[in-house]
Amino acid sequence: GQNIDQPTEMTATEGAIVQINCTYQTSGFNGLFWYQQHAGEAPTFLSYNVLDGLEEKGRFSSFLSRSKGYSYLLLKELQMKDSASYLCAVKDSNYQLIWGAGTKLIIKP
Amino acid sequence: IAGITQAPTSQILAAGRRMTLRCTQDMRHNAMYWYRQDLGLGLRLIHYSNTAGTTGKGEVPDGYSVSRANTDDFPLTLASAVPSQTSVYFCASSETGTGGGEAFFGQGTRLTVV
Repeated sequence: GQNIDQPTEMTATEGAIVQINCTYQTSGFNGLFWYQQHAGEAPTFLSYNVLDGLEEKGRFSSFLSRSKGYSYLLLKELQMKDSASYLCAVKDSNYQLIWGAGTKLIIKP
Repeated sequence: IAGITQAPTSQILAAGRRMTLRCTQDMRHNAMYWYRQDLGLGLRLIHYSNTAGTTGKGEVPDGYSVSRANTDDFPLTLASAVPSQTSVYFCASSETGTGGGEAFFGQGTRLTVV
């Protein structure tokens, strides 16, 4: 079966750096996405990786290793507004998105 | 900029009743999707449409139907609601069904079946 694994919850301190990991086992691979979802709101797009390596976008970076079935989202200079759930999703061989259950990130002052 | 709009935002529905969740996008995206989101689970695909006039089944299609008569609208119908269909429903769209384009989500419909 297809599976996306990410930690259920993480806690970090304002101003610090946090890394959210995602491992996947899917039938085929056509890219990996990270989304942010604040409580009670819709998911919003953060990043897309289809080739190995690091993609940097401001305070957020995303890394992909296809051979290891692994990605991480790195958030720097954490702000209170970064408290949210972070969803990892992979497009499989049929171009359908397979979603992880999300990682709830709690930021403490 | 409207993007993608869902209606209603929330609904309490008696079991056995029929219900249609509406979804409209103004981005001229070819692909549209319906997901349900339940606590502790990832988003699960119910039905999708890669282009107007075509639809396909996702991971959890039973009890739901969709239609795609035009590019903009993608309604989801529960023919006879059951309590297990209590969930938050998200409609999404992307420029194409393939490729790396991200999906844009509506604000969600919180449905409670009692």
